[in-house]
Amino acid sequence: KQEVTQIPAALSVPEGENLVLNCSFTDSAIYNLQWFRQDPGKGLTSLLLIQSSQREQTSGRLNASLDKSSGRSTLYIAASQPGDSATYLCAVRGSTDKLIFGTGTRLQVFP
Amino acid sequence: DAGITQSPRHKVTETGTPVTLRCHQTENHRYMYWYRQDPGHGLRLIHYSYGVKDTDKGEVSDGYSVSRSKTEDFLLTLESATSSQTSVYFCAISAGQAKETQYFGPGTRLLVL
Repeated sequence: KQEVTQIPAALSVPEGENLVLNCSFTDSAIYNLQWFRQDPGKGLTSLLLIQSSQREQTSGRLNASLDKSSGRSTLYIAASQPGDSATYLCAVRGSTDKLIFGTGTRLQVFP
Repeated sequence: DAGITQSPRHKVTETGTPVTLRCHQTENHRYMYWYRQDPGHGLRLIHYSYGVKDTDKGEVSDGYSVSRSKTEDFLLTLESATSSQTSVYFCAISAGQAKETQYFGPGTRLLVL
């Protein structure tokens, strides 16, 4: 059974820092991996989608990498801003063809 | 905004009563999903649909049923609500199942007393 873990569960950093969020999964047979952002009381917003054949995806200050063989993905946020404060979730689509989510990393960026 | 609305947005009900949540999309996407989100568990798939009248169970389907009579609407029904079904419910849509991202609705907060 696929399990997705995100570390750390919470992170607080000063504005301007570069930071890395981690996601690990137990079954490397995946179709893709996605990173989402969730603001308090809101739905999820898709940030990046990495297909299993890709190693990374970039969007603005965000860069996501995927190492399928080791079961790991990282989300790199450059020059963090207070507006980046949110919960970040990763999800993998595996052999069951369903999205399996991690429990998220709650990020706070303070001025 | 991916054209997804959920209703109601908030609901308080009593144990044993039936509850129906509605998800409506304007994108004409084939796939629709219902998730619940709980502290410590993340999002878990309840049911999903891959077309009108085509549905399948997810990870936590016990106590829930779904219906999809039109492409744009996907209904989630709690036949007899229990306190363990207190949660935030999210609907999602996607154009294709395997390779496409999912777009999420704003969520419904359900409290079962």
